[in-house]
Amino acid sequence: DTAVSQTPKYLVTQMGNDKSIKCEQNLGHDTMYWYKQDSKKFLKIMFSYNNKELIINETVPNRFSPKSPDKAHLNLHINSLELGDSAVYFCASSQLRLAGGPGETQYFGPGTRLLVL
Amino acid sequence: RKEVEQDPGPFNVPEGATVAFNCTYSNSASQSFFWYRQDCRKEPKLLMSVYSSGNEDGRFTAQLNRASQYISLLIRDSKLSDSATYLCVVNGDTGRRALTFGSGTRLQVQP
Repeated sequence: DTAVSQTPKYLVTQMGNDKSIKCEQNLGHDTMYWYKQDSKKFLKIMFSYNNKELIINETVPNRFSPKSPDKAHLNLHINSLELGDSAVYFCASSQLRLAGGPGETQYFGPGTRLLVL
Repeated sequence: RKEVEQDPGPFNVPEGATVAFNCTYSNSASQSFFWYRQDCRKEPKLLMSVYSSGNEDGRFTAQLNRASQYISLLIRDSKLSDSATYLCVVNGDTGRRALTFGSGTRLQVQP
């Protein structure tokens, strides 16, 4: 069974279009994330939701809007796509552990490869 | 200065070699430390957490030096299947719970 799944796996679209990426986790985790990996392979946090509440919103253009209908799903909608949005977008999830314990493990989805033409 | 810095490599080593990767982080308040592995065109996967006392998992040994803000990963007896990019990862703020990734060190193990 896939723990964290994303759709679509590949997305090729024209500049100016609006697109959505969906993410689902079946691990029962309370926190979900969106990361962006650019052409230089650098992974950077975009958003984080905890129990449907936004807790991290990094410096991301407001064309990007996350939506969490429930704690198992976190979708990413992108308006007016630009060339620079081309990247791999990874969804991840984790479960809060007690303070002082080992760090939380984040489990990543397979990624969505977005190419804007 | 980047929050997490790694030598990008690539490290090209023969099978059976021992190889070490280093990483430095800038946030002295960082709480949790990890090594993730990312294969080409795949998602990152946790390789191991890094504990203050150092820890070992089979052929892999991780060390943390909080005073120097330095993390290392040692791989002994390299296998072809170890070829991947190794990402040094830090969680600087338990409230945010977001990981900060280094850009990764690429390892290529050759027959």
